[in-house]
Amino acid sequence: GQQVQQSPASLVLQEGENAELQCNFSTSLNSMQWFYQRPGGSLVSLFYNPSGTKHSGRLTSTTVIKERRSSLHISSSQTTDSGTYLCALAPLTEGADRLTFGKGTQLIIQP
Amino acid sequence: EAAVTQSPRNKVTVTGGNVTLSCRQTNSHNYMYWYRQDTGHGLRLIHYSYGAGNLQIGDVPDGYKATRTTQEDFFLLLELASPSQTSLYFCASSDELGGNQDTQYFGPGTRLLVL
Repeated sequence: GQQVQQSPASLVLQEGENAELQCNFSTSLNSMQWFYQRPGGSLVSLFYNPSGTKHSGRLTSTTVIKERRSSLHISSSQTTDSGTYLCALAPLTEGADRLTFGKGTQLIIQP
Repeated sequence: EAAVTQSPRNKVTVTGGNVTLSCRQTNSHNYMYWYRQDTGHGLRLIHYSYGAGNLQIGDVPDGYKATRTTQEDFFLLLELASPSQTSLYFCASSDELGGNQDTQYFGPGTRLLVL
C-alpha cells in the first residue's frame, strides 16, 4: 500500500490565513523532508525534519514519529506561497536508500 | 547552494525514437537520481547511482536505461520511446544516501512529449 499520504489534496485560502498541511506515513521512519514545487516545475527543499519541530521564517515543520505524521504550518500566508508542497520519507528498513514522495498538496492563496 | 542542471529543458520525439536526458551536478555529491512526475502519481524513482559507474534500479525502471559516466554526470536513456513515457523528468543529487541526514537537490526538470 501507499506509504505516504498527504492531505488535503488541495487547499484554497485567503492571503493572511494560516495553512496546515499533513503527511501521514505507514512505515518506520528514517528521514522526512518537505519540498516546495513552484508552478512550472522545479522543487526546492524546505525542511529536513526526521523528528521534532523546526522553524524557518513563517514555516514550521513538526514530525511526530510515534503518531506517524508530519505537518507543515504556514503562518500569515502570501500569494507567493501558492504552489505544491510535497513530503518525502526514507523508511527505516527496506528502501532506506531512496525517498518515497507523497502526491502533494496544491496550495492556492488568493489576494 | 547545490547546483543541478538538466538538458534539454523540453523535448518532443516520436514513438520509437531515441532520447537521452542529461543531468550535471557541480557539488561533488555522491548520489544522483532520476525521477518522473505524472499527475496522480507524484514523483517516482526511475534509477539512481552511488557514484561513477554505479547504477541502481528504482521503482519504475521499465523502458529506461541510465548511465553515470562521472561523479558529475548522470544520463537517462529512452531507446524506444513510447507515449506512456511522456512526463516531467527530474534529476536530483545528494551527499548522503536517500534522504539520510541530507536533502536532495533537484534540477529544473525536462518536459518530454512522445507523439
